[in-house]
Amino acid sequence: NIVMTQSPKSMSISVGDRVTMNCKASQNVGNNIAWYQQKPGQSPKLLIYYASNRYTGVPDRFTGGGYGTDFTLTINSVQAEDAAFYYCQRIYNSPWTFGGGTKLELK
Amino acid sequence: EVQLKESGPGLVQPSQTLSLTCTVSGFSLTDYSVHWVRQPPGKGLEWMGVMWSGGSTAYNSALKSRLSISRDTSKSQVFLKMNSLQTEDTAIYYCTRLLGGFDYWGQGVMVTVSS
Repeated sequence: NIVMTQSPKSMSISVGDRVTMNCKASQNVGNNIAWYQQKPGQSPKLLIYYASNRYTGVPDRFTGGGYGTDFTLTINSVQAEDAAFYYCQRIYNSPWTFGGGTKLELK
Repeated sequence: EVQLKESGPGLVQPSQTLSLTCTVSGFSLTDYSVHWVRQPPGKGLEWMGVMWSGGSTAYNSALKSRLSISRDTSKSQVFLKMNSLQTEDTAIYYCTRLLGGFDYWGQGVMVTVSS
């Protein structure tokens, strides 16, 4: 089974900074990656699908990239409301495995 | 408006069977697949399985022996049954719709496995 590994596990960023988080697949998944944001007490929200497609209504400061085994989620000019957990997920094929998550905290 | 809502017991005894219902509105189960995802307290997301729009299913291999997903399209409901529950099955259980990624999620239902 595919393993999705996210790094770092947590990061502390100041408002206005640019942040990049990583997701590595244990085998080639092409562009079949999605990214989600989850805040405490809430259901996850889809941000990016097929590696680089921004979901409807997602601010353009969120950008996804990568192909094959290495993927990134970049947030330009982080806002206070971006403090959350972020998860990558292999999509399109079973198993639809999630990464372990990256916690983004604001200083 | 697309909506998904999970329902089921909040407390299940160890070794018993969990039965959850996902009731959807705003779309047809014959047009979209519905997945189940769970999240233990303070931990990450785990994909459990899927009811495809065509009626077939697929499961996480780690849960396959205990898990069954079915549906009633006339009632717009997807069902999850998982047997032999243990304390490590304590989690929030979500149903979610697939369109590219998982675009709509239910609010989740907290299930505690305890005697």
